Amino acid sequence: GNSVTQMEGPVTLSEEAFLTINCTYTATGYPSLFWYVQYPGEGLQLLLKATKADDKGSNKGFEATYRKETTSFHLEKGSVQVSDSAVYFCALSAPGSGNTGKLIFGQGTTLQVKP
Amino acid sequence: DARVTQTPRHKVTEMGQEVTMRCQPILGHNTVFWYRQTMMQGLELLAYFRNRAPLDDSGMPKDRFSAEMPDATLATLKIQPSEPRDSAVYFCASGLVWLAGDNEQFFGPGTRLTVL
Repeated sequence: GNSVTQMEGPVTLSEEAFLTINCTYTATGYPSLFWYVQYPGEGLQLLLKATKADDKGSNKGFEATYRKETTSFHLEKGSVQVSDSAVYFCALSAPGSGNTGKLIFGQGTTLQVKP
Repeated sequence: DARVTQTPRHKVTEMGQEVTMRCQPILGHNTVFWYRQTMMQGLELLAYFRNRAPLDDSGMPKDRFSAEMPDATLATLKIQPSEPRDSAVYFCASGLVWLAGDNEQFFGPGTRLTVL
């Protein structure tokens, strides 16, 4: 079946540090991949996505590349800010025949950025 | 700027009381999802609808939870009777799902439920 595995948190970084949050997946076919972010007290919001192999999603300084050979979609940012403190969720969907529209989420990784 | 809205944002109730949570999906979206988030279990899919018809509610405790879509602009999640273990944040999400789409979902701000 389809599944997503994220690195466990919390991840604690100092401001301006480099961020990597690992995400690997198991899926049949050609899934679409997402990163969602949840700020304290809010719902999840889409951060970036990639729909085919070798695509790079990017937004707000964050990037992730869809690597089919390693079944990974790692989230990176070159210089984090305190305002990036949030929970980050990796997710996949499997469109095509029998598309349910469901997203399969990882367990979430909490990022804490200290000044 | 189209958004998913949810009401109420916060609800405190006593055990045994009925709770109804409401969601207005984004106009034009054909699929609505209900999720529950707790510290212990994380994010769980409770139920979802396509074109107002229930597709899957296997994530919901059937004896006390029910979900409906009376019309295209309103989805409801009801708990009767409520129990302290139902305390959680409940999210509604909507999306436009089609055969070759990427299935992006748009989340509401959530209803934080506390059952005493």
